[in-house]
Amino acid sequence: QQPVQSPQAVILREGEDAVINCSSSKALYSVHWYRQKHGEAPVFLMILLKGGEQKGHDKISASFNEKKQQSSLYLTASQLSYSGTYFCGTEPLSGNTGKLIFGQGTTLQVKP
Amino acid sequence: DVKVTQSSRYLVKRTGEKVFLECVQDMDHENMFWYRQDPGLGLRLIYFSYDVKMKEKGDIPEGYSVSREKKERFSLILESASTNQTSMYLCASSLFSLVRPRNNEQFFGPGTRLTVL
Repeated sequence: QQPVQSPQAVILREGEDAVINCSSSKALYSVHWYRQKHGEAPVFLMILLKGGEQKGHDKISASFNEKKQQSSLYLTASQLSYSGTYFCGTEPLSGNTGKLIFGQGTTLQVKP
Repeated sequence: DVKVTQSSRYLVKRTGEKVFLECVQDMDHENMFWYRQDPGLGLRLIYFSYDVKMKEKGDIPEGYSVSREKKERFSLILESASTNQTSMYLCASSLFSLVRPRNNEQFFGPGTRLTVL
């Protein structure tokens, strides 16, 4: 029941772009994105709500296609500081507790 | 600066010991969570609490119990630790609201790496 993230890992050079996908088998109300740097706590990046919105945060943006139950995280002109593991957390449309179901994570490594 | 703190960064215990992991948040959040993080498996929810003394099982509650006597504190208990409970344990908290849309961003603690020998 965990959402499936792809790819599992990606290696980039500085300045390159990457896309991380998150796909759920359940109807979703929202999708959260978090980044965890090595040895640190996961940190919230953004939330996308039902309605098919797209959000941006500096050079990191995301989209949410509620019909396909999919979200994508776009990292453009990647910087060394983008390295880490990215998790999507999904909130099902049914149920109203605020619990999230997290994907297995995508490890991103940006090299100079 | 909002904070979620966990009692230990590293813990080593023996098989069969009773283990307590403590988590404290200073944001007056109603929701608190315990996750287990293993390579390739992501964050899996062990238990969730939406109010003092209220708890709900997550996806992998077997072998664990929790306690929430005060709003700011959420404890994870391993009644009899086993080697397959060696893992990173993360605590998180968030606001609670029944009304959508809502901001239920989760704030995470630094984690406790538990090794059971």
